[in-house]
Amino acid sequence: EIVLTQSPGTLSLSPGERATLSCRASQSVSSNLLAWYQQQPGQAPRLLIYGASRRATGIPDRFSGSGSGTDFTLTISRLEPEDFAVYYCQQYGNSRTFGQGTKVEIK
Amino acid sequence: EVQLVQSGAEVKKPGESLKISCKGSGYTFTNYWIAWVRQMPGKGLEWMGIIYPRDSDTRYRPSFQGQVTISADRSISTAYLQWSNLKASDTAMYYCARPSAGLDDAFDIWGQGTMVTVSS
Repeated sequence: EIVLTQSPGTLSLSPGERATLSCRASQSVSSNLLAWYQQQPGQAPRLLIYGASRRATGIPDRFSGSGSGTDFTLTISRLEPEDFAVYYCQQYGNSRTFGQGTKVEIK
Repeated sequence: EVQLVQSGAEVKKPGESLKISCKGSGYTFTNYWIAWVRQMPGKGLEWMGIIYPRDSDTRYRPSFQGQVTISADRSISTAYLQWSNLKASDTAMYYCARPSAGLDDAFDIWGQGTMVTVSS
């Protein structure tokens, strides 16, 4: 099973700042089949990025994904108040696994 | 509108059985896989397994194999997650989710979640 390790565990930032979240896989992710999800408290997750770098429908362009192989990054260019949430990466190229999550909190 | 609507919260005792549901609408139910995801209180997301309603092809994550049963009734566009012997450690929020196209796709549609509480 591919293990995904997200860092940092918590990111404390102010609105308007740039957020950089990391997701590292224990082995290469097949065809860069990696997604990012956002989860607000009390809500279901929402798909942000798929295929490592493709934005899902309706996702603002301040969200971007990059990376390949074992190292992937989610960048939020300028944090809006609604972006403070927990973010999960998921690989879906070899069965499926999720990372443990990164919480982006208001500083 | 494409959506997955899950059954309501459940409170059960250890040893009891339970079946929760996830009804798809706004799309052809038999053309898409449906997955189940567990989220224990205050914890992250765990993929449990996935089913293809057209032929009931089912895949389980090894750690959930034998612990739960995933099924589907295509006549009513509904997928199920079932336990025969609940434990306190099954207390969690359970989400159903749909890959956007085939088996190897990200989950673009999620149900609202079903909270299962197991307590004596």
